[in-house]
Amino acid sequence: DIVLTQSPLSLPVTPGEPASISCRSSQSLMDSNGNNYLHWYLQKPGQSPQLLIYMGSNRASGVPDRFGGSGSGTDFTLKISRVEADDVGVYYCMQVLLALSFGGGTKVEIK
Amino acid sequence: EVRLVESGGDFVQPGGSLRLSCTASGFTFSSYWMSWIRQAPGKGLEWVANIRPDGGDQSYVDDSVRGRFTISRDNAKNSLYLQMNRLRADDTAVYYCINHSSGNLGQGTLVTVSS
Repeated sequence: DIVLTQSPLSLPVTPGEPASISCRSSQSLMDSNGNNYLHWYLQKPGQSPQLLIYMGSNRASGVPDRFGGSGSGTDFTLKISRVEADDVGVYYCMQVLLALSFGGGTKVEIK
Repeated sequence: EVRLVESGGDFVQPGGSLRLSCTASGFTFSSYWMSWIRQAPGKGLEWVANIRPDGGDQSYVDDSVRGRFTISRDNAKNSLYLQMNRLRADDTAVYYCINHSSGNLGQGTLVTVSS
C-alpha cells in the first residue's frame, strides 16, 4: 500500500502571505513516461472536496493561478502564492498510481 | 465539461442494502479507471473500491467492505455503481465517485445506516 504523509497538520496563515503544504509518498508516484499520479483537493467547511491540481502540477479548470503544484516521485508541494480568506479548509493530497489513497489532510485557517 | 453525479444514497437500517450510481459526462468514460471514495462524518477521505476501464478488474480497500460491496460499471450508459449489502453503522458516510486520471469527483450522495 502507498502511504501519503502530509505536513503540517495545521497551518495558520495570514491573508496576502504565501503558504505551502508538503505531501510525501512511501513510494514513487511517477511512471515511466514521467507522469506523476498525485492530485490535490481543498475541502471548504461544509462542502464537498474540490479538485485543485491534477497529475502533480496541472491546475484544474476554474482554479485561481495563485494555487500551484510541484514535485515529482515521492515529494510534492502545494503552494498558495497569496492566501485569501476563502482558502480556508482542509487540503488533501491523493495518489492514484496504485489503487487510491489519501494524505491525512492539512487544516488551513486564518491567523 | 467533466461532470460526475452520484445518486442512490438513503437512510437504511443495519443489514440493509443500497445501490449507488454515478453518471458521467464530458469525457470518454470507458477509457478511465474509476473509484468510489467515502467520508464519514467528521473524518477524512477514504478509498472504497476501484474498477478497471473495461470492468474486468476490481479492488476493495480491505475485508471490511470486500464481500459486502460490489463495484461495477456500464460503459454504454456512462455509469458507475456500488452495490452495498449487509450495511453497518460504520458505513455511514458521503460517497463520491472519482475519475482516477483527471481527479474529478462529484458532489456525493449520503448514506446513513441507523436503527
